Amino acid sequence: AQSVTQLDSQVPVFEEAPVELRCNYSSSVSVYLFWYVQYPNQGLQLLLKYLSGSTLVESINGFEAEFNKSQTSFHLRKPSVHISDTAEYFCAVSDNNAGNMLTFGGGTRLMVKP
Amino acid sequence: DAMVIQNPRYQVTQFGKPVTLSCSQTLNHNVMYWYQQKSSQAPKLLFHYYDKDFNNEADTPDNFQSRRPNTSFCFLDIRSPGLGDAAMYLCATSREDRATDTQYFGPGTRLTVL
Repeated sequence: AQSVTQLDSQVPVFEEAPVELRCNYSSSVSVYLFWYVQYPNQGLQLLLKYLSGSTLVESINGFEAEFNKSQTSFHLRKPSVHISDTAEYFCAVSDNNAGNMLTFGGGTRLMVKP
Repeated sequence: DAMVIQNPRYQVTQFGKPVTLSCSQTLNHNVMYWYQQKSSQAPKLLFHYYDKDFNNEADTPDNFQSRRPNTSFCFLDIRSPGLGDAAMYLCATSREDRATDTQYFGPGTRLTVL
């Protein structure tokens, strides 16, 4: 069985500061990793995903995440956040044994302050 | 734009009064999912369809039913809503049910039970 832990339920940060949202997973098989973002009263949107290949993946709006197999982590980073990045961020995993069933972490609320 | 549409965005019902939530998609995806998301929690999968094949999660209450009359539409029926069923209900789709397939989410329907 898989599990996903997002260590921080809330991360307050000032605008233009760097941020890291932490995600650790546990699984007995190889996994695929996803970060989704949820703006208030909206559905989830895929931010980025790791399937294979380069362990560093990037999104179009400046976020990046690095898959670290030895540390079973997939932390999300942005070097300079904007007010508009205020949202809930969910890390999720899937594996070939479970088809397309996603296991979500508990979410991290990123609060960007002016 | 191809998308996942949910109607209504906000639904108010009375305790015990049946309610139906609607989801449609223009992506022509084979798989459709229903999630329940309570405040400050991760989405919880209720069930999914691969084409017309229905897959119920083991812990989904019998009070929740679903219908998928065609590729484009999927409905969530709550037969006798209780106060604990107040939540955001998210519909999602994916092209196939492989672990690598991205799920695309609708904006959600927020259900209030009075």
